[in-house]
Amino acid sequence: DGGITQSPKYLFRKEGQNVTLSCEQNLNHDAMYWYRQDPGQGLRLIYYSQIVNDFQKGDIAEGYSVSREKKESFPLTVTSAQKNPTAFYLCASREHRAGQPQHFGDGTRLSIL
Amino acid sequence: AQSVTQPDIHITVSEGASLELRCNYSYGATPYLFWYVQSPGQGLQLLLKYFSGDTLVQGIKGFEAEFKRSQSSFNLRKPSVHWSDAAEYFCARLDNAGGTSYGKLTFGQGTILTVHP
Repeated sequence: DGGITQSPKYLFRKEGQNVTLSCEQNLNHDAMYWYRQDPGQGLRLIYYSQIVNDFQKGDIAEGYSVSREKKESFPLTVTSAQKNPTAFYLCASREHRAGQPQHFGDGTRLSIL
Repeated sequence: AQSVTQPDIHITVSEGASLELRCNYSYGATPYLFWYVQSPGQGLQLLLKYFSGDTLVQGIKGFEAEFKRSQSSFNLRKPSVHWSDAAEYFCARLDNAGGTSYGKLTFGQGTILTVHP
């Protein structure tokens, strides 16, 4: 079955440490997205990529970095510069045609030790 | 900037009762609108979408939504709620810029639905 796989489901980070969240899709979608979700704040866009080797900052990119070396993969690194990284992170993808919806993975919950 | 507002943070209904979740969007040409549902600790599942044409849209799990341009609204409805419908619901709008859809979604803040037996 086609879908979006996020791993790990739960992740713990020590102070000053970088961590990378994985997002893989086998839907053959061109566009991929990373969101952060905090209680009562809905979803906020971190980064998005329309095509391989290209990506743009979203609304809250500070303290995060991404890469898009393959169509199927869009990993997110939470760097030590992100002072409040505890959140639920969601990855999404979509066909790059007008009006197509985004499809979401099951998320990764990141916590600080 | 385009925005989406869900006025109700939390709604409680009894099982079997009807449901309406409100969503208002900021004015803009040809809105592409979506409703998603999220169970605790899970990702978002698409319930339905509106692009154009018939203003009453049918979705999965017995949900429907009605697009009303005059009221800038896209309310989600279900005639009889089941206990399994308890979840958080998000309305979203697809951003269009310069005639090219970049696929960026603007989400409402979400409405948490509690279902009493």
